[in-house]
Amino acid sequence: NAGVTQTPKFQVLKTGQSMTLQCAQDMNHEYMSWYRQDPGMGLRLIHYSVGAGITDQGEVPNGYNVSRSTTEDFPLRLLSAAPSQTSVYFCASRLGGQRFSEQYFGPGTRLTVT
Amino acid sequence: GNSVTQMEGPVTLSEEAFLTINCTYTATGYPSLFWYVQYPGEGLQLLLKATKADDKGSNKGFEATYRKETTSFHLEKGSVQVSDSAVYFCALSDDVGGSNYKLTFGKGTLLTVNP
Repeated sequence: NAGVTQTPKFQVLKTGQSMTLQCAQDMNHEYMSWYRQDPGMGLRLIHYSVGAGITDQGEVPNGYNVSRSTTEDFPLRLLSAAPSQTSVYFCASRLGGQRFSEQYFGPGTRLTVT
Repeated sequence: GNSVTQMEGPVTLSEEAFLTINCTYTATGYPSLFWYVQYPGEGLQLLLKATKADDKGSNKGFEATYRKETTSFHLEKGSVQVSDSAVYFCALSDDVGGSNYKLTFGKGTLLTVNP
């Protein structure tokens, strides 16, 4: 199993550009999530999905879109990048319906918006 | 709502010192509790977990006990190594409606162990 994979590892954008961060998992997990990690802020949930076709907002959803057309993939779209979106982004997945299930994280994407 | 509070650090220790990282939580239901570790340049990975009161999770010499009466899940290790240098996150998983168990993380504690 590859686990949770993310691409790209690093990205530099100019203000106003758009891009998609890719995330895929091969563990047949129902739940997938996107977090951003900023110094002193810990991990903050952007969007999450409890299954194909179902998504919902987390704590900091503004400026980001998601969709979940398959169980495996959960892309995160930045529609018009802003410097405040400079961060490290983590995708994660876990089995659904169990409060004790482990969450698996991808290696992260380091995004800089200039 | 749910929340996790952990000591923010940074924590700097010498090799073989005793480690404690405090974690307390508030939850509306009966949560499961986790410690995740993030090594430099990597994603988070599960270190240990406990699913009910008085359970002790353990892994790689680290331990934490689920204390319902004090709503705490403190992380301990008797003798730290340089390779333990990382950021440690306390987290809980609780029901937000039906079977939708959401993870809530603390802000993380940076541990540096010097030789």
